[in-house]
Order: sequence, then C-alpha cells, then structure tokens
Amino acid sequence: KAGVTQTPRYLIKTRGQQVTLSCSPISGHRSVSWYQQTPGQGLQFLFEYFSETQRNKGNFPGRFSGRQFSNSRSEMNVSTLELGDSALYLCASSLDGRGNSPLHFGNGTRLTVT
Amino acid sequence: QQQVKQSPQSLIVQKGGISIINCAYENTAFDYFPWYQQFPGKGPALLIAIRPDVSEKKEGRFTISFNKSAKQFSLHIMDSQPGDSATYFCAAVLGGNYQLIWGAGTKLIIKP
Repeated sequence: KAGVTQTPRYLIKTRGQQVTLSCSPISGHRSVSWYQQTPGQGLQFLFEYFSETQRNKGNFPGRFSGRQFSNSRSEMNVSTLELGDSALYLCASSLDGRGNSPLHFGNGTRLTVT
Repeated sequence: QQQVKQSPQSLIVQKGGISIINCAYENTAFDYFPWYQQFPGKGPALLIAIRPDVSEKKEGRFTISFNKSAKQFSLHIMDSQPGDSATYFCAAVLGGNYQLIWGAGTKLIIKP
C-alpha cells in the first residue's frame, strides 16, 4: 500500500501571498488530519476531515482552511501568509479518525515565508 | 487538564544505555496513550501504545510503563542504538474522542 503523499515537499512564498498544500491519504482511509510543526511548538493540530466534513478544528486563525474531496484527498490553504507561518505542515490519515486509530503521517511540506 | 507534559526536551544517551522519556497528564478520562517516533525529514510514525488497564507493554527494545495512580507514563528504550536517534512524542486520547493531545516532544541522540 502506498503511504501518505504530500505535495509539494518544499515551498517558498512571500508574506501576503496564499498557498495550497495537498495530501493524498492511504487508500481506504477516510480521515485526514493536518498539523503544523515548528521547532519550538511541537505538533499543533490544525483540523481533521472525515467524509468531506470538518470534524475537529484546532486553535488557528481563519486564514488556515482546508477541505476534503470525495476520494478522501485533502487540501489545506493558508491565505495572507505571515512570517510566523513558516513551518513543516504534516498530513496524517487514519481509517476512521478515532484517537486510537493509528495515524499515518506523510513526510510533510516545508513552507518558508519570506 | 487537557495537557500532556513531556520531559526531557532533549536527551543524550550513550550507545547501549537506557533512554527514558516521561509524560504526565491530569485528565483521568484519557484512555489510550500512543508514542510516535519521528526521524529527521520524515513524518512521525506510531511506535507503541498502551491502555491504562495495563501497567507495561513491551515491543522489542521499547517498553511503555504506565502508572495510573501517578498519572504518568514513560517510554524506555533498552540497549539504545544510534538508529534510535529521533524525536519522540507521547500523546493521550480522551475516551471516544477523535483528537490526540500531544506532548511537546523529546529529541533523543544516541552517541556511538
């Protein structure tokens, strides 16, 4: 089975721009979660989607949004980029999104905002 | 009450030694405690997990010890190897919930 695929791997954007990150989950997985990882803040939960519906949301501003398609693929969008948005963005898929279902992470998209 | 406190932030252990990472929680409703391992340039991967009705779980050189009364759980890596060098995250899940509460992570370096 193919793992979780995130594209692109690296991205450099300018402050004020917007960006879209993509995630393809493991086949059969219906839940996709997004995390922001920075050296000082660890793993910060952004949101979780299940069957095209946002089921959980972390404490991030409205500039961060996402969506899930009928094939479970997910995208995450950040508008009006700020320097502090520079981070590794990780996508994780699981069968049903329950906390005791193992999360399978992609290798992330490294976003740099200049 | 929703926090999971992980320590230490970083750890250096000699090859062959025992690495110990600790996590503490407050909410007694947590009922599932996974550990994830992350290598540089990779996403985290599930390493081992435990439920509170078990005091210890062992998988190879990795052991979770769980102390329900103290509300603490720890990861022990026996005979630590350079290939174990990674960042380790503990987490906790509220019963029936869909969200993990993550510890801050421990960067482990095993010196050859």
